[in-house]
Amino acid sequence: NAGVTQTPKFRILKIGQSMTLQCTQDMNHNYMYWYRQDPGMGLKLIYYSVGAGITDKGEVPNGYNVSRSTTEDFPLRLELAAPSQTSVYFCASSYSSLAETQYFGPGTRLLVL
Amino acid sequence: GIQVEQSPPDLILQEGANSTLRCNFSDSVNNLQWFHQNPWGQLINLFYIPSGTKQNGRLSATTVATERYSLLYISSSQTTDSGVYFCAVEDNFNKFYFGSGTKLNVKP
Repeated sequence: NAGVTQTPKFRILKIGQSMTLQCTQDMNHNYMYWYRQDPGMGLKLIYYSVGAGITDKGEVPNGYNVSRSTTEDFPLRLELAAPSQTSVYFCASSYSSLAETQYFGPGTRLLVL
Repeated sequence: GIQVEQSPPDLILQEGANSTLRCNFSDSVNNLQWFHQNPWGQLINLFYIPSGTKQNGRLSATTVATERYSLLYISSSQTTDSGVYFCAVEDNFNKFYFGSGTKLNVKP
């Protein structure tokens, strides 16, 4: 199993540009999560999904959108990128949210200039 | 949301020393996990421990849910233990909240 994969590893965006961060897991996990980690801080939940077709907002959803058309994929869309979205983005998955651990991808480092 | 506070924020140890990291949370939780983020940014789950005590090698964790805290014990620390240790809790709505972490530096 590849686990949780994320692409790209690193990206520079100009203010106002849009992009999609890709996340794929091959563990048949129901739950998937997107977090951002600002320098020296813990992770903050952006969006999560408990299964295909179901998504919900986390702690910091503004400026982002997600979709979950398949169990495997959970892309994160940034519309109109802003410098405040400069961060490291982590995708994670778990079989369920109860009694199961989360497995993290390697992260995507995003710089908005 | 649930407030998660970790202490200490920074910790320097000599190799071989023991340490205790603490995580306090502000409300009842369904889930509590400890993670280690290595110096390369990789996040690894250490424990799923909403209550009770678990041990895995030199690491062990205890959560006292009624008193809203969890402790992570590291014994005989090694340089490879360096990194940031995060506590994360899940509320009743499947949302996770992370603490700011404890940055550990183990010196040879």
